[in-house]
Amino acid sequence: DIQLTQSPSSLSASVGDRVTITCQASQDISNFLNWYQQKPGKAPKFMIYDASNLETGVPSRFSGSGSGTNFTLTISSLQPEDLATYYCQHYANLPLTFGGGTKVEIK
Amino acid sequence: QVQLQESGPGLVKPSETLSLTCAVSGDSINRGYFWGWIRQPPGQGLEWIGNIYHKGSTYYNPSLKSRVTISVDTSKNDFSLRLTSVTAADTAVYFCARRGGSGSSFDYWGQGALVIVSS
Repeated sequence: DIQLTQSPSSLSASVGDRVTITCQASQDISNFLNWYQQKPGKAPKFMIYDASNLETGVPSRFSGSGSGTNFTLTISSLQPEDLATYYCQHYANLPLTFGGGTKVEIK
Repeated sequence: QVQLQESGPGLVKPSETLSLTCAVSGDSINRGYFWGWIRQPPGQGLEWIGNIYHKGSTYYNPSLKSRVTISVDTSKNDFSLRLTSVTAADTAVYFCARRGGSGSSFDYWGQGALVIVSS
């Protein structure tokens, strides 16, 4: 199974800050990586596919990058509504796995 | 607008079988996507349980494969999850989702159903 390790597990930042979340895969997954946002008490919401492509409707302050084993989700200017836990998920093969999540809090 | 809705008992006794159904509206299961189940223990991360294709092909997480069955009922436009011999470790919010988005993503999700395993 491919393991996805996210860091940090949580962070606290101020509105307007640039936030970076990393996701490291245990083996090369090319760009077969998605990112999801989960707000408290809600289902995850799909945000980024193929490591760097924004799903329609996702604010442009979100971006993704990376390939191989190292990936990054960046929020260029943190907004109050970005309070959530973010998960990476690979689809290079089965079983599909998710990272452990990064909880983003607003200072 | 595609909508998914989980239903089933919220409390299951240890060693018994957990059964959930996901009703799909706004789309036809026959259109050819994969339909899946994902779970999330309280305060923890997401775990993929398995997927089913509309023609019935199934793919399960090896960690659960011996206990899981996912089936589809195209006449009702829904699909179901059965998990046998449950323990407290199976307590979780269970989500159903459509795996039909770009990047083979789970693009539509149900709201989730909390299932507690307890006597």
